[in-house]
Amino acid sequence: ETGVTQSPTHLIKTRGQQVTLRCSSQSGHNTVSWYQQALGQGPQFIFQYYREEENGRGNFPPRFSGLQFPNYSSELNVNALELDDSALYLCASSPRGGGYDEQYFGPGTRLTVT
Amino acid sequence: DAKTTQPNSMESNEEEPVHLPCNHSTISGTDYIHWYRQLPSQGPEYVIHGLTSNVNNRMASLAIAEDRKSSTLILHRATLRDAAVYYCILRNTGNQFYFGTGTSLTVIP
Repeated sequence: ETGVTQSPTHLIKTRGQQVTLRCSSQSGHNTVSWYQQALGQGPQFIFQYYREEENGRGNFPPRFSGLQFPNYSSELNVNALELDDSALYLCASSPRGGGYDEQYFGPGTRLTVT
Repeated sequence: DAKTTQPNSMESNEEEPVHLPCNHSTISGTDYIHWYRQLPSQGPEYVIHGLTSNVNNRMASLAIAEDRKSSTLILHRATLRDAAVYYCILRNTGNQFYFGTGTSLTVIP
């Protein structure tokens, strides 16, 4: 069974640019959640996708957007990057919507904005 | 929004029990309490979760106060592999997971 994978592992972008991060969920999981983890902090919930629809959102501005595809993989897009967007971005999948199940996290994508 | 409060760090001797506390005084009746742990350079790993009753699994036990305003994660015999940051999380009906700042657990051989 393949776990949650994320790409790329590391990324460096310039302020004002746009970035797309990708996540492949664990086999059989139809729910994907995205988190932002700043250095030394706990993960902050960005949003969750269930069966290709947004299913909950944290306190992040609209320039953070996402997609979920029919195979349940997902993308996180961030427009107009700011220096404070530098963080580890984590993706987690779970077997069904509602968040009652355990989430399986990927290793994350480290984004640096200069 | 409900929040959790945890001590920044704790230490335990190897093979001794560890009790990791969490306060969540603004928890609502439908919030689930989840615990995850994170090792360096890895994503968080699920430990346990519960709603009202105490819960046990192969990794740990979760003791939930009767008023649900606090909970305690119990590792029965700490090993060196248990050294990690432990997060107490509330999951609300909006499918939002709120991580606390976490407790960094050091296990002393």
